[in-house]
Amino acid sequence: SQELEQSPQSLIVQEGKNLTINCTSSKTLYGLYWYKQKYGEGLIFLMMLQKGGEEKSHEKITAKLDEKKQQSSLHITASQPSHAGIYLCGADPYNQGGKLIFGQGTELSVKP
Amino acid sequence: EAQVTQNPRYLITVTGKKLTVTCSQNMNHEYMSWYRQDPGLGLRQIYYSMNVEVTDKGDVPEGYKVSRKEKRNFPLILESPSPNQTSLYFCASSLIGQVQNEQFFGPGTRLTVL
Repeated sequence: SQELEQSPQSLIVQEGKNLTINCTSSKTLYGLYWYKQKYGEGLIFLMMLQKGGEEKSHEKITAKLDEKKQQSSLHITASQPSHAGIYLCGADPYNQGGKLIFGQGTELSVKP
Repeated sequence: EAQVTQNPRYLITVTGKKLTVTCSQNMNHEYMSWYRQDPGLGLRQIYYSMNVEVTDKGDVPEGYKVSRKEKRNFPLILESPSPNQTSLYFCASSLIGQVQNEQFFGPGTRLTVL
């Protein structure tokens, strides 16, 4: 079965610093989803990547999917306290829509 | 507004007292799912449904039941809750039959079983 591993598990950065979160899959990714979760709340969809080499940006967050489609990275530029939360990567293991499997999440804290 | 709603948002109960957590979506999605989230274990799927009257077990179905009598609703039933079911629960929905559909999540239900 497909598994997703995220690194690091937690991250503390000073406001204004850049950071990167990685998501590695045990199998080829048909698509990769990034979600953000504020503590104890629901998941907010950030971005979805499908094609090898694809890169998407939203405000100061950029996500990439590598050419081999087994790893994705999420990069935050000039971090702000509003970026704090848990970032989760998810993948559709059957490439048919529906079920997602998730990494364990990366907890990000941004110090003012 | 397109959304997934869950009720209640918070629930404290005692062992063995049956409870239902409701989930409703207004996007006409075929697919609905329940997850639980626990520290160190991430999000794990409990049950899912591909359409009305079609449900199937996810990764951690023990102790839970679901039903899908209407397309918009997908309640999660705990017939005899136990303390190990204390968790944060999420309902989610999406379209199927297309490649890569965003899954919409509800706000979560925090359940404590004493």
